[in-house]
Formats: sequence, C-alpha cells, structure tokens
Amino acid sequence: QSVLTQPPSASGTPGQRVTISCSGISSEIGSNTVSWYQQLPGTAPKLLIYINNQRPSGVPDRFAGSKSGTSASLAISGLQSGDEADYYCAAWDDSVTGWVFGGGTKLTVL
Amino acid sequence: QVTLKESGPVLVKPTESLTLTCTVSGFSLSNVRMGVSWIRQPPGKALEWLAHIFSDDRKSYSTSLKSRLTVSKDTSKSQVILTMTNMDPVDTATYFCARSYGDYDYNYVDVWGKGTTVTVS
Repeated sequence: QSVLTQPPSASGTPGQRVTISCSGISSEIGSNTVSWYQQLPGTAPKLLIYINNQRPSGVPDRFAGSKSGTSASLAISGLQSGDEADYYCAAWDDSVTGWVFGGGTKLTVL
Repeated sequence: QVTLKESGPVLVKPTESLTLTCTVSGFSLSNVRMGVSWIRQPPGKALEWLAHIFSDDRKSYSTSLKSRLTVSKDTSKSQVILTMTNMDPVDTATYFCARSYGDYDYNYVDVWGKGTTVTVS
C-alpha cells in the first residue's frame, strides 16, 4: 500500500499563486478521482477539492484542482495568510480497496 | 446535517486492545453511496487510512495493519466500531472516522469527525 507523493513544503507571499503536486500509480490516481484536504492546526481535515477539480460550496475559486494520468495538482491563487495549513491529496486504491493519502504539504505564507 | 463523532478511551496500555466508536447522524449506514473509513494521524505526521466498511457490510483493511484491525457496524444505532489489538506506543495518534461518498466512477471522503486522541503508554 503506497503513499501518494507530495512535496513536504511549499511557500509563497500574499497574492502569489502556489501549486502542490501529488503523484501516484495506476491503481489509485490512474484509476480513480482525486480529492484534496486542508488541515488547519489542531483540526480535522476539510474537503477542499473532490472529483479532481470540483469545489464544495463555500470553498473559494482561488482553489483549483487538476489531474492528468497518475498525477494531480492543487493550485492556490491570491494566497492569503489564512491559507497556511497542511494540504493532503487522496485517492481510492483499487489494489487494497481503500484510501491512500499523500504525505502532506505544509504551506507557509511568507 | 451530516456529522460523525468518535468516542473511546484516551489512554491505553501497551498490548491492550483499543475499541473506538463512530456515531453518525444525517445519513444512513445502509445508503449504497456511502461508507465509513477510519483514518489516523500520529502527532506531527501524515494521515493514514486504516479500515473501511461499505454499505453492504463488506470490509477492507490497511495491508500493514490488517492482522490487528476489525471494523463492524450497527446500522440501527448508526455506529461504526473499530477494534485494534496489541496496541503499541507507535499507535499513539488522533483517530478520525470519516464518510466516503461515491458511485462506480467517483468517490471521496466528504465529512470527517473531529477525531479522538489516543495515547498508548
């Protein structure tokens, strides 16, 4: 059971655009949809993007997801201090019939 | 409103078993588009999926922890129960239950419980 590959950290200044990548294999990202989660310190993860690029109501359009083959990415534009959090990607893994998560990316707003 | 709430012991001794209960509201555990997963997060570390129970009572487990995990549900009580045997200090973590929503061509975890912190010592 693998872990999706994310960069451990990312950073940007207010107003900038940052991108977080998520890499997997055929049995997870290659075969299923990708979701993204934002986790603020001391809280549960919150759904940010589902089905690769869909935003739940209440999530601003500054957050955008995409997927191609066995990779996905999360783009955050107009960076704000409140975006400082850990971000996780996830996909269903057909080989284990369960979820696989990325290692998480800590976003710092400089 | 869909909610999930974890409950269970805060402190467990090494070699003991841990039993956690997830009480859900706002949806039925028999809804074919929904399942419930248990996911944990050691302090300062990443999320780790543990187990999943489907609406039809099928179960699946993390490969590395399969021998220690059992998941079950009581639909009438809207509860999902996770048991983990032979607890070790490395199992110290916040344990979340979360709802999966999907169909044959998409799925995602859409609602999480707040989590319960378990210390093994």
